[in-house]
Amino acid sequence: DIVLTQSPALAVSLGQRATISCRASQSVSISRYNLMHWYQQKPGQQPKLLIYRASNLASGIPARFSGSGSGTDFTLTINPVQADDIATYYCQQSRESPTFGGGTKLELK
Amino acid sequence: EVQLVESGGGLVQPGSSLKLSCVASGFTFSSYNMHWIRQAPKKGLEWIALIYYDSSNKYYADSVKGRFTISRDNSKNTLYLEMNSLRSEDTAMYYCAKGLEDVMDAWGQGASVTVSS
Repeated sequence: DIVLTQSPALAVSLGQRATISCRASQSVSISRYNLMHWYQQKPGQQPKLLIYRASNLASGIPARFSGSGSGTDFTLTINPVQADDIATYYCQQSRESPTFGGGTKLELK
Repeated sequence: EVQLVESGGGLVQPGSSLKLSCVASGFTFSSYNMHWIRQAPKKGLEWIALIYYDSSNKYYADSVKGRFTISRDNSKNTLYLEMNSLRSEDTAMYYCAKGLEDVMDAWGQGASVTVSS
């Protein structure tokens, strides 16, 4: 299985930039496709798709969310962070049988 | 609007069985692959099963292979997860999710399963 590693938590101030990273145990890119996706989960709610294939914004997601990366290293950026963005963020790969990272809890500084 | 509504969760004893359902609306259910994903209390997400739109292919995580069965009834817009030989480590919130190519683009609110004596 491809293991995805995320930092457990990140503290940010409102209005600042948040950068959440995800590292894969092997490349999740095939040709020009980077098969890494990002989800947001707020407490007591189901996850919601934010970014697909590393850098594509899902429908209805605000432009302050962006994604980048290729190979084994990927980043989700939120700029500027708003109060509504306080949540846990998961990366997920689809290069092989789907796996998720352990999640990064975004907290207020 | 896409809606996925899970049901069938509950408290069961180790070794018993349970069948979850997920009723879909707001999209052409028969055209999309569907997933089950679970989340143990205070833990992360674990993908457990995928079924193709026409039931031609089914895939499972090793943790549930041989014990869980994913199925669907396109005439009823319903996805199922039959869970046998349940263990305490199967305690989790179980989500169904709509597949869009290689992502899960819509999720249900979840069904809670607790396995305990």
